Amino acid sequence: GESVGLHLPTLSVQEGDNSIINCAYSNSASDYFIWYKQESGKGPQFIIDIRSNMDKRQGQRVTVLLNKTVKHLSLQIAATQPGDSAVYFCAENRDNNYGQNFVFGPGTRLSVLP
Amino acid sequence: NAGVTQTPKFRVLKTGQSMTLLCAQDMNHEYMYWYRQDPGMGLRLIHYSVGEGTTAKGEVPDGYNVSRLKKQNFLLGLESAAPSQTSVYFCASSHEQGYNEKLFFGSGTQLSVL
Repeated sequence: GESVGLHLPTLSVQEGDNSIINCAYSNSASDYFIWYKQESGKGPQFIIDIRSNMDKRQGQRVTVLLNKTVKHLSLQIAATQPGDSAVYFCAENRDNNYGQNFVFGPGTRLSVLP
Repeated sequence: NAGVTQTPKFRVLKTGQSMTLLCAQDMNHEYMYWYRQDPGMGLRLIHYSVGEGTTAKGEVPDGYNVSRLKKQNFLLGLESAAPSQTSVYFCASSHEQGYNEKLFFGSGTQLSVL
C-alpha cells in the first residue's frame, strides 16, 4: 500500500557535521509535507514544511528538499549540534479513505556524536 | 501559553478496564486529533474532530471512542482496554485541516495494558 517511509532508521553524525535525513513517499498526489522533530519523552515538534509547488525551502540551519520526480523528501541540518539528537518524522498531507490528513513515516533516529 | 495539554502522562490498566484520556488546547483551534505511536511505526490517526460537537474516524479507530463537547477539549475513551492498545497516545490540534496547516502536539500519554 502507499505509505511514507524512510531510507535509514538510524543516523549517527559527528557534532559540527551536516546531517541528511531522507524520506520516500509513494502518493504522487500529496501536495504538502512537514518535518517533525521528537525528543525523548516529548511530542513531535514542527521543524519545517514545504508545498508541492516548491523544490527547496530553508529555515534556520535546516533545509528541506522535495523531488517530486522520484517522490523523495530530505531534511538537511547544517552544523549538527547535540541538541539535534532526536527522532525525525516526515509527514505528507493527502486524501485518505478517512479524509484529508497527515500520514507519518516511521521516523529516523539522529544521534550526534561528540 | 500551555498549547496542547494531555492528562494523564502515564497509566497502567488491566485488560477489560476502561479509561478516558483528556486533551485540552488553548489556541482556539478548530481541529483536534488523537494519534497513537508504536515502536518502529509512524503516528497513526485514531479519531479526529473538525469542530465542536463533531468527530470522525481515522486510520485505526476500532476500540476507541471520542467526544468533543467543548471546542478546547477532545476526549479519547477506551471502553474495554486490550493489550494491543498499549502505546503512546498523542493529541494534536490545528487551526485548519490539511494543506498548509501544521499540527501542534501534546507531550503524550504512555498507556500500558496488562
